[in-house]
Amino acid sequence: GENVEQHPSTLSVQEGDSAVIKCTYSDSASNYFPWYKQELGKRPQLIIDIRSNVGEKKDQRIAVTLNKTAKHFSLHITETQPEDSAVYFCAAGGGGGNKLTFGTGTQLKVEL
Amino acid sequence: NAGVMQNPRHLVRRRGQEARLRCSPMKGHSHVYWYRQLPEEGLKFMVYLQKENIIDESGMPKERFSAEFPKEGPSILRIQQVVRGDSAAYFCASSPRAGAYEQYFGPGTRLTVT
Repeated sequence: GENVEQHPSTLSVQEGDSAVIKCTYSDSASNYFPWYKQELGKRPQLIIDIRSNVGEKKDQRIAVTLNKTAKHFSLHITETQPEDSAVYFCAAGGGGGNKLTFGTGTQLKVEL
Repeated sequence: NAGVMQNPRHLVRRRGQEARLRCSPMKGHSHVYWYRQLPEEGLKFMVYLQKENIIDESGMPKERFSAEFPKEGPSILRIQQVVRGDSAAYFCASSPRAGAYEQYFGPGTRLTVT
């Protein structure tokens, strides 16, 4: 089955800096890669996603890149703000049906 | 447009009791997924259902756990004879159709087994 690895597990940045979170996946049949943001005690919220026919997607301060050959995808947050502080999860889907396989999460802390 | 609803939000059960978790998908969504999240861990897939059908239960423990999504009413995740290790947050997600992939999560049910 699919296996998703996520790095780093924790990330501290200064407000205004950029943050990058990286994931790798194992199943070459996976074709859908969402990112979720989860604040403490809250539900995971879909913030951006990318499909395998696209190499990059951007939505305001958030961008995701996908390298299908290397089975890597990354989340980029620019001009970070304190409200970006949360746990971010990557996931992969589409290869083994509709289920999503999640990474272990990155705790992002944006410091003033 | 109401989002995914789950109840109860918090559930406390003693060891050996049964836990019933309910999930109502977003309006127009007929595909439901259940995930379990242990403290400070990621989400682990449990089961994928459509109305009256279990499509993929590859993540469900073999014993004590069952799920259904009846023609009418919410999806239910049932845990019989709960043990301390069942303590976790259980999230339900829904999507509008097969192959859509986008999954929208409910607020979760936090189960505590004492």
